[in-house]
Amino acid sequence: AQKVTQAQTEISVVEKEDVTLDCVYETRDTTYYLFWYKQPPSGELVFLIRRNSFDEQNEISGRYSWNFQKSTSSFNFTITASQVVDSAVYFCALSEILNYGGSQGNLIFGKGTKLSVKP
Amino acid sequence: SAVISQKPSRDICQRGTSLTIQCQVDSQVTMMFWYRQQPGQSLTLIATANQGSEATYESGFVIDKFPISRPNLTFSTLTVSNMSPEDSSIYLCSVAPPTDTQYFGPGTRLTVL
Repeated sequence: AQKVTQAQTEISVVEKEDVTLDCVYETRDTTYYLFWYKQPPSGELVFLIRRNSFDEQNEISGRYSWNFQKSTSSFNFTITASQVVDSAVYFCALSEILNYGGSQGNLIFGKGTKLSVKP
Repeated sequence: SAVISQKPSRDICQRGTSLTIQCQVDSQVTMMFWYRQQPGQSLTLIATANQGSEATYESGFVIDKFPISRPNLTFSTLTVSNMSPEDSSIYLCSVAPPTDTQYFGPGTRLTVL
């Protein structure tokens, strides 16, 4: 069975601090996608990243970076120099890859980590 | 990318009534999903709605309670039937275009009194 665990329920930091959100997953599939979404207080889900299980390279996008380690089944997310606008709930998610075309199935979500960044 | 709209954005309904939520996508997609997010919780899949076939429901969700229509590749509806306060949630549709990521609609915030 597939499962995503986000052990940190809530994190509170002061602006400009770095913060890492942990994500551990379980799957029997050899190929899969991993995702991170942001849900601000307004409620919409904002896509941040999708990573293919074949690609273990870390990724950096501005202040955001992701560390994918297949050996530990982890896909952690780091925000550098956090800002108040980063305050949101962050979800890690997993989906299977359905076919050679790369189509994905439904997402299995973790419980989310609520990040509060204080000025 | 795919742009998704949902109607209504929010509603307050009385116990025992039904509400139909519409999901419109700006491009043709085969796979569409409906999720529920109860207050303070994560997202849970209700069903997968592929055009041309019956919706597939997850454990704990039944067609009589959450009937789904998928008349074409850009549109779907989810009905929440015979509502109770426990149905108060955000309902989200999403699509997964081939070779692209999974996009979510803005959600429908439902409150049942």
